Order: sequence, then C-alpha cells, then structure tokens
Amino acid sequence: DTGVSQDPRHKITKRGQNVTFRCDPISEHNRLYWYRQTLGQGPEFLTYFQNEAQLEKSRLLSDRFSAERPKGSFSTLEIQRTEQGDSAMYLCASSATGGYEAFFGQGTRLTVV
Amino acid sequence: KNEVEQSPQNLTAQEGEFITINCSYSVGISALHWLQQHPGGGIVSLFMLSSGKKKHGRLIATINIQEKHSSLHITASHPRDSAVYICAVEPYNDYKLSFGAGTTVTVRA
Repeated sequence: DTGVSQDPRHKITKRGQNVTFRCDPISEHNRLYWYRQTLGQGPEFLTYFQNEAQLEKSRLLSDRFSAERPKGSFSTLEIQRTEQGDSAMYLCASSATGGYEAFFGQGTRLTVV
Repeated sequence: KNEVEQSPQNLTAQEGEFITINCSYSVGISALHWLQQHPGGGIVSLFMLSSGKKKHGRLIATINIQEKHSSLHITASHPRDSAVYICAVEPYNDYKLSFGAGTTVTVRA
C-alpha cells in the first residue's frame, strides 16, 4: 500500500460543468476525510466517513456537493454546476479509529474557468 | 477567530540557521499535528504529539498542554526544508482536524 491516492491531480473545468474526484485511502483505515484548501489558507473540513457512513458534512458543503464511500473503501466527491469559487485544492485523508494520525493524499487542484 | 493560530506567517532564513514556528490553540485537544506541504500540494505528517517533545532528524516538536502552545524547530536548516508548515489540532470528542493557516518557510542557500 503506497498511501492515500487521489485522482486526478489537476482538473480544469468550465463554469457550470460537473466534476468528480476520487480518493483511495490506506486499505485498513476506516476513517476518511475530505478537506478543501484555498490559496494561503489551511485546509477546511468538508465531510467525514466512518466506513461507508457519512457522519458529518460541513455547512461549507452546499447542495452542489455530494460525497460517497460505497463499501467503505474508495470515496468520490462530486461538484455539480461548478462555480469559480469552487477553485481550490481538495484534499483527502484517512486514519484508523482511535486517535491515530491522519495520512493525506496529494490533493486534487480544481480550477474553474 | 480561528481555533488555531500560527506565527510567523512567513519566514526566510539562511541555510544553517535555526528556525522556530509557533502554534497556539484555544480549545482542549487530544493531539496536535505538525504537517509539511510542498508546492505540489501534498501534505506529509511530520509529528503527532499530545505531550512533551518529539525529535525526528533535524526537526523537533514540543507542546505545552497547559499553555495551549506548540513549537516546531528546524535545526541546521537547508533549502529543501522550504515548504509550508501547518499546525493542526484534534479537539476533544471530535474526529476532524482544525488547521492553522500555515507558515511559509523559505531557506536560502
């Protein structure tokens, strides 16, 4: 296992298009997090899964955002009708239960033009 | 006000200098993380600590739980240490991290 992987690394899309990102966590980790990072800021929490259950969504996550983690393995984050304000780095992290450190993916940088 | 404050925001050092980055937080925590982010965007976990001090190579992290403060030190800094260093905390009874805005470190040869 080479760690948390995210795909794609970069995405440029036109305003109004839908985009989907994928995250493959470390295989034995049951916790998966999505964070968003804008330029010059630290990451902000978007959503959290424990196994396949989505336990929390930030109010940053508008109705245009949806995340899934079928079967408790990989996760997808979809943004519908993208807006320029969605341009950011989307980071995925995973951890084992019980206070273990989180491991981050390389992120997907989204640019909406 | 952010739960996690870092200082300085930016730091430039000459190769070989000792660097200190500070992190203050306002909530009770179960652990504090120091993370490193290079220009490509990926984040690497450097330390997770809940008390005392940890050392890894030229990096040293300390935490004072009573004062709600942590420091990250880089000894004998090198240009390859140039990156953004981010402090993040795990609040009690929460499972998600709260992040500082990061400190941009530039080490000149």
